[in-house]
Formats: sequence, C-alpha cells, structure tokens
Amino acid sequence: SQTIHQWPATLVQPVGSPLSLECTVEGTSNPNLYWYRQAAGRGLQLLFYSVGIGQISSEVPQNLSASRPQDRQFILSSKKLLLSDSGFYLCAWSVGGVSEKLFFGSGTQLSVL
Amino acid sequence: GNSVTQMEGPVTLSEEAFLTINCTYTATGYPSLFWYVQYPGEGLQLLLKATKADDKGSNKGFEATYRKETTSFHLEKGSVQVSDSAVYFCALSAVGSGGSNYKLTFGKGTLLTVNP
Repeated sequence: SQTIHQWPATLVQPVGSPLSLECTVEGTSNPNLYWYRQAAGRGLQLLFYSVGIGQISSEVPQNLSASRPQDRQFILSSKKLLLSDSGFYLCAWSVGGVSEKLFFGSGTQLSVL
Repeated sequence: GNSVTQMEGPVTLSEEAFLTINCTYTATGYPSLFWYVQYPGEGLQLLLKATKADDKGSNKGFEATYRKETTSFHLEKGSVQVSDSAVYFCALSAVGSGGSNYKLTFGKGTLLTVNP
C-alpha cells in the first residue's frame, strides 16, 4: 500500500534562517507531488506541484522553492524565512496523470519567530 | 480563474443534529467536485466526490449533490456525531494546461464542532 511521510511535524525557526521540509512517498511510481500551505483563516493554498523529477511548477510568487531530486521525494526550501512563512505545510501526492484524489501527509506546523 | 467559496465557520452543533455546509464554485468547463475532511492533528482525507452534474457523492452518512445550475456542492448529514468534529474543505479539480488535471482548488475550510 502507498504511504506518505512528511517531517518534521513541528518546527520553530527564527526569521532569516533557512528551511528544508522533506516529503517522501512509498508504494507508487511517478506520482504527482504537491506542497500546500494552510495559513490561519486563509484555507489551503497550492504552492508547488511536480509531475516528474526535476519538473516543478510554482503557483504563487514567494520566498519558497521546491525541488524533486528523486521520483518519490519532494523538498520545500527557503534561504531566509520571513514571519509570513508561518503556517501549516502539507505535502500530498496523486496518481500520475489522474490527480482527482489527493493523499495528504500529516503536515508540518512551522512557526517563524 | 477557478475558485471555491464555502460558508464561514465555526459551526457548532449538538449530537444528532442536521448538518449543512454550503459550497459554491466558479470554474471554466466542467470540474469535478470534492469534500475533504481534516481531523485534529492530521492531514486531509477525501470524504466524497462527484464528477458530473447531478451526481451525488456519499460516504460515512455525508452526502453532496453536484448542482450545475446553482454551481453548488453543499455537504449534508442527517445526524452528526461527536466524532464528526473536524475541518471540512470543499474543492474542485479542473482540466489544466495540456489536458491533464494537476491541481485542486480548495475553499477556506469550515470548522465543525459537535457537542455531546
């Protein structure tokens, strides 16, 4: 069966520090991968999605970047965190080519102080 | 562009009460519609979906009907339980560039609290 791992579960970082959140999927090949952010009162916002290794699409201009170095690995990064980067970050995957059902990880609560 | 609007929360109900969470959408073409649920401390899970007009999605006693004429997909349950307490997200999936579906557009979420 397929599983998705996302870590860490919680993270407190100072403003200006770097960020790296990792997500891996097991039990499937060539998944579509997604990073969403859930900010208080603002719902879910799609940040990045990827349909293959090295293929990253950005939905909104921001202080973050994403990379997909392996088929089932998706990394969210920042060189210098801002206060506004605080939020709940969710990784998700779907079957390649058919994206209607997303499977979500358990999320990372990021607090930038 | 595509958008989803769902009723503001929080919604607080007593056990066995009737639940409705309104959801309306704006999209080009013919989207698929979804309800996802997020239990405390967890990621989102698909609750139900409908892929064309007049379809009814149902799961765990929840139902939602795809209404093209009113561009709505309201979530209902006849008798809620304490275990239904969660955040509910309405979402749509529309065809992206190149003819493939890659993205879901979510509403802001509605927090439901059911008291015993």
